[in-house]
Amino acid sequence: DGGITQSPKYLFRKEGQNVTLSCEQNLNHDAMYWYRQDPGQGLRLIYYSQIVNDFQKGDIAEGYSVSREKKESFPLTVTSAQKNPTAFYLCASSGQGGGTEAFFGQGTRLTVV
Amino acid sequence: GENVEQHPSTLSVQEGDSAVIKCTYSDSASNYFPWYKQELGKRPQLIIDIRSNVGEKKDQRIAVTLNKTAKHFSLHITETQPEDSAVYFCAASYSTNDYKLSFGAGTTVTVRA
Repeated sequence: DGGITQSPKYLFRKEGQNVTLSCEQNLNHDAMYWYRQDPGQGLRLIYYSQIVNDFQKGDIAEGYSVSREKKESFPLTVTSAQKNPTAFYLCASSGQGGGTEAFFGQGTRLTVV
Repeated sequence: GENVEQHPSTLSVQEGDSAVIKCTYSDSASNYFPWYKQELGKRPQLIIDIRSNVGEKKDQRIAVTLNKTAKHFSLHITETQPEDSAVYFCAASYSTNDYKLSFGAGTTVTVRA
């Protein structure tokens, strides 16, 4: 179903803990993205990567970190420095980056308890 | 960086009427403008896109127009049906050197039967 998988679907984190969200794609896409979705604020870009071992900050990168060691994988770590981490996180990938359709994962809902 | 603004935030239409959503973008270098539909509890999916060398594109009941001079583009849905009820997002990207894909805040469309 779309070839891009996020896990887990729901995640609970205690305050002060880091947590890593998984995103894997088997579409052989070069570009991958992480977005945060909050009610009324659309899809805000956290980080994106155009090729392996390279990534750029998006509009709200503070408190987050990523890695792109493999083409298929783009994990997102929500660190304790993120002041308001409770949100719905969406991962996406696209074949040639800008200018082509982006396919989204099913999302991970992170709740800080 | 690119800033995409989207209006209105909510839109209620009678079944059979038309719906129009408008977006503006800030970076004149942007040249790819997709529209995504997100049904409740589902991932966003591409419904139509347009490139900067085209002024208008149509696919059955949906159409997109682009005004590069004014830096705005619009989504038009004709003969709306209940299944058109969803959140719609516009986006913009520069497809050549930077794969950054920036989204608007979204429009919640409700089609009244």
